Amino acid sequence: QKEVEQNSGPLSVPEGAIASLNCTYSDRGSQSFFWYRQYSGKSPELIMFIYSNGDKEDGRFTAQLNKASQYVSLLIRDSQPSDSATYLCAVNEGTNAGKSTFGDGTTLTVKP
Amino acid sequence: DAGVIQSPRHEVTEMGQEVTLRCKPISGHDYLFWYRQTMMRGLELLIYFNNNVPIDDSGMPEDRFSAKMPNASFSTLKIQPSEPRDSAVYFCASSSSDKNTEAFFGQGTRLTVV
Repeated sequence: QKEVEQNSGPLSVPEGAIASLNCTYSDRGSQSFFWYRQYSGKSPELIMFIYSNGDKEDGRFTAQLNKASQYVSLLIRDSQPSDSATYLCAVNEGTNAGKSTFGDGTTLTVKP
Repeated sequence: DAGVIQSPRHEVTEMGQEVTLRCKPISGHDYLFWYRQTMMRGLELLIYFNNNVPIDDSGMPEDRFSAKMPNASFSTLKIQPSEPRDSAVYFCASSSSDKNTEAFFGQGTRLTVV
């Protein structure tokens, strides 16, 4: 079992819908959680990070964390075709974003 | 700032040859990370440096891989000898201890070993 699990997808949603991306992790000592977006052929770029249980909102993006269930999710509201990408969940035992264990990613397609 | 700069962007080499990948981190960043991304294994952390000192190289796959950071603005990842299974995209990333919640990735080097 991988340390960070994501549904590989592809996940397809219509434009304007809510996209829900999920991630589970195995290390209960994990402290920080990051979501990256990676367009095809490009490098990962950080969207959000979350440390505390609950929700964290940033524009159209909401990260949700439940440490008891070892579960973190990313909601994208009002999905746009430009959101079509692979979303990587990264988990960290500390707070340094670079020292993370990544999931394999979920590919999201937003259809116009 | 131009961001993290990697070179070359693409490298095709024959099995057994030495390959050197280069990275220039963002100025002022004191952490530098080398990652490898493949379809099979995803994005894996190979090694990272803090203030030019290697801190954790547990992700380096074998002795054929080595990394150096001679100064704050330059790092190399070397594979000698290269093998076809080393084919991957290699990313360099950097971050600052003042704001370590963000790691910035370079554009990557796509390595093909034939």
